Amino acid sequence: AQRVTQPEKLLSVFKGAPVELKCNYSYSGSPELFWYVQYSRQRLQLLLRHISRESIKGFTADLNKGETSFHLKKPFAQEEDSAMYYCALNTYRTDKLIFGTGTRLQVFP
Amino acid sequence: EPEVTQTPSHQVTQMGQEVILRCVPISNHLYFYWYRQILGQKVEFLVSFYNNEISEKSEIFDDQFSVERPDGSNFTLKIRSTKLEDSAMYFCASSEGPGFGNTEAFFGQGTRLTVV
Repeated sequence: AQRVTQPEKLLSVFKGAPVELKCNYSYSGSPELFWYVQYSRQRLQLLLRHISRESIKGFTADLNKGETSFHLKKPFAQEEDSAMYYCALNTYRTDKLIFGTGTRLQVFP
Repeated sequence: EPEVTQTPSHQVTQMGQEVILRCVPISNHLYFYWYRQILGQKVEFLVSFYNNEISEKSEIFDDQFSVERPDGSNFTLKIRSTKLEDSAMYFCASSEGPGFGNTEAFFGQGTRLTVV
């Protein structure tokens, strides 16, 4: 079965520290992977997708098919990065996103 | 910037009652979705809707649930005979195209449903 695992419920760092939010997936086919972010009292919004290979707000994520991972990284965390981060998987010929349980990132000043 | 709008933001209903959750997707979008998130759990797919019919649904989306687009703008989720375990945050989303590789799903702010 397709599954997304985010092992950390909470990640706390100080401003300026590097951040890595872990995401592993289970899917035998070719996945499409995404990171969604939900800031306090705001809606879920797309942060980045693996096929774009872009950096958004300093965040990057690389798909590693060998390790079935799509970890989200940022070299220097900012306080405004504090939010809930969800990794999500879309599988071939489906219209659904399969979400992980989310990781709450807290960035302290 | 266009947004997906959901009403109400919070709905309290008695067990066994019917509820209708409403969503106004972004106007040029053609694909519509409902997800839910039970407190403390993951966001789960319920159903996708395109061209006035369900294109995909999860095992959660049983006969108790139905969706429709009654007037070309609203997209509704009806839950018949609500149960306590239906209490959750329900998210509507819409996108221009299918899948998510080259298109983005835009989410509403959610409706918190509390069944008492």
